[in-house]
Amino acid sequence: DAKTTQPTSMDCAEGRAANLPCNHSTISGNEYVYWYRQIHSQGPQYIIHGLKNNETNEMASLIITEDRKSSTLILPHATLRDTAVYYCIVRASNTGNQFYFGTGTSLTVIP
Amino acid sequence: DTAVSQTPKYLVTQMGNDKSIKCEQNLGHDTMYWYKQDSKKFLKIMFSYNNKELIINETVPNRFSPKSPDKAHLNLHINSLELGDSAVYFCASSQGGSGRVTGELFFGEGSRLTVL
Repeated sequence: DAKTTQPTSMDCAEGRAANLPCNHSTISGNEYVYWYRQIHSQGPQYIIHGLKNNETNEMASLIITEDRKSSTLILPHATLRDTAVYYCIVRASNTGNQFYFGTGTSLTVIP
Repeated sequence: DTAVSQTPKYLVTQMGNDKSIKCEQNLGHDTMYWYKQDSKKFLKIMFSYNNKELIINETVPNRFSPKSPDKAHLNLHINSLELGDSAVYFCASSQGGSGRVTGELFFGEGSRLTVL
C-alpha cells in the first residue's frame, strides 16, 4: 500500500547534511508527505510533514518539489544518533488516519 | 511519564496459547492503533480505533481481537498463537479522527512477541 519509493540505504559522514530522497509520483492533491524514523529497537518517531511548501522544524527540513512528485528530508548536521530507518509516507486528509509504512531508507551516520 | 506505554515489552509463549498486550496513552488522543513489525522489518497497520470505535481492520485474522475500554487504552488479545505471530507489536495514538489531518503518530516502544 506504500505509495513511495526510497533508496534502501545511505551513508552520511557525521556533521554533514544528510539528504534523504523520496519519490511519490502518484501523489494526489490532498495527500500530505510525512517523514518518520525508527531507531533500532524503538518505536517510530515523527519528524516532519508538509503539503506543498517547504517545512522546517528543530529536527529537519522537508523540501517538496513544485510538482509534488518527490521530496527530500534534510538533516542539516547528522550525528551518530541519527542512524535509523527513515520512512517517507503519503497520506490523504480524508481517509482517516492510516499511515502505511514502506521499506524506508536505512541511514548510517559514519564517524 | 511515557506518552504511549505498552506491556509487556517481551513475551515468550508456546503455540496455541492466548496472550494479551496492553497499551495506554496519556496524551488525551482520541485515536489509537496497533501495528505489527515482522522479521523483515515491514511495519503494517492492523487496527485503528477512534473514540473506542473500530475504524480500520486490515485483513487481520480474527484470532486477533482489539479491545478499547476507553479512549486511553487499546489492548490486543491474540488467541491460539501461531509461529507466524512472532513479531514486534507497536501501539500508537494520534489526535483526530476520520477526515481530519493529524500531524503525527506517537508510538510506544513495542512489545516483542516470540511464539515457540
